[in-house]
Amino acid sequence: AQSVTQLDSQVPVFEEAPVELRCNYSSSVSVYLFWYVQYPNQGLQLLLKYLSGSTLVKGINGFEAEFNKSQTSFHLRKPSVHISDTAEYFCAVTSAGGTSYGKLTFGQGTILTVHP
Amino acid sequence: NAGVTQTPKFQVLKTGQSMTLQCAQDMNHNSMYWYRQDPGMGLRLIYYSASEGTTDKGEVPNGYNVSRLNKREFSLRLESAAPSQTSVYFCASSGYRDSYGYTFGSGTRLTVV
Repeated sequence: AQSVTQLDSQVPVFEEAPVELRCNYSSSVSVYLFWYVQYPNQGLQLLLKYLSGSTLVKGINGFEAEFNKSQTSFHLRKPSVHISDTAEYFCAVTSAGGTSYGKLTFGQGTILTVHP
Repeated sequence: NAGVTQTPKFQVLKTGQSMTLQCAQDMNHNSMYWYRQDPGMGLRLIYYSASEGTTDKGEVPNGYNVSRLNKREFSLRLESAAPSQTSVYFCASSGYRDSYGYTFGSGTRLTVV
């Protein structure tokens, strides 16, 4: 079984500042990792994913994340945020095989609020 | 538009009533999922269907049943609604070619009074 912990429930930041949303995971097997974004009253949209290869993954809207296997982390970053980035962000994990294959386990979510 | 369609978008039930949440996808995906979202708890898997004809329990299946009617449709039924089932319900689908990038529906906001 796997689990995900998002270390911050809320992150306030000013427009054009950098931001990092932290995610740690726990799993006994190899994993695939994801970040999703949810805008108010909408479903979830995939931002980026790590399956294999380069540990630095680039996604949509200028976001990127770095997979760190030794620290079991997958932190999301953006160098300069916009008001439109205000949303809730979810980190998710699934095993790369076995019985949990394809089933995503989500973190509790981080609400990013960008202030003008 | 291609994607995952959920109905209804909003529903209010009285305790003990039953209802079915409908979900359909038109992307020829094999796998479909039902999650519930509660504040501060992220999304929790209720049931999933890895392929047509199969369903399995997720993390929080009690009080729910599902039917994979065909490859496109996956419904979630509440037989006797309870206030603890007040939540936002999301259906999602995925295919092997998507490399597990789920496509989500827009959600059903259910209130049980």
